[in-house]
Amino acid sequence: NAGVTQTPKFRILKIGQSMTLQCTQDMNHNYMYWYRQDPGMGLKLIYYSVGAGITDKGEVPNGYNVSRSTTEDFPLRLELAAPSQTSVYFCASSETGYSGNTIYFGEGSWLTVV
Amino acid sequence: QKEVEQNSGPLSVPEGAIASLNCTYSDRVSQSFFWYRQYSGKSPELIMSIYSNGDKEDGRFTAQLNKASQYVSLLIRDSQPSDSATYLCAVNHPDGGSQGNLIFGKGTKLSVKP
Repeated sequence: NAGVTQTPKFRILKIGQSMTLQCTQDMNHNYMYWYRQDPGMGLKLIYYSVGAGITDKGEVPNGYNVSRSTTEDFPLRLELAAPSQTSVYFCASSETGYSGNTIYFGEGSWLTVV
Repeated sequence: QKEVEQNSGPLSVPEGAIASLNCTYSDRVSQSFFWYRQYSGKSPELIMSIYSNGDKEDGRFTAQLNKASQYVSLLIRDSQPSDSATYLCAVNHPDGGSQGNLIFGKGTKLSVKP
């Protein structure tokens, strides 16, 4: 049981490049999330999904896109990378959206935009 | 703007002492409160959740909630060097209540000295 798996773990992008952060979970969770964490800061929600085919914006969605074609996968697309997108990205999942439900995090993806 | 405030620290305590971590939140309708532990370079890990006023104990950890004062705390008894980490306070985002979103504080860095 791998839980939430993210790839790549580290990546350096040049300004203006695009890339996709992959996320997959094997717990059959309906809810999936993408957070970013800047140094010394808490996590901020970028996008979330309540099930296959359904996505919605979080607090900081600008510059990102997501899709959810299957229950397992929730990729995050960065278009036209900017230095402000240098951050650590965490994918997460939970069984339901009930506020008391445990959210499981992936190990993180460190992205640097130069 | 819904906010969760924490003292960034670092909080330094000797081994065996009680570490006290504090968190305040701005949205009075928040209902669920969580403490995550994050080791350097790792993903957040849920260690405590609390939903009702009062204390909740789990091993060496005690969470305390006071909704009237909009205050939640985490006590770590018999602190160990392995407890050295950043502790993130998280509060549920009450809008709609369906996406399980959390608002995170910036975290308090705890250092337990042998």
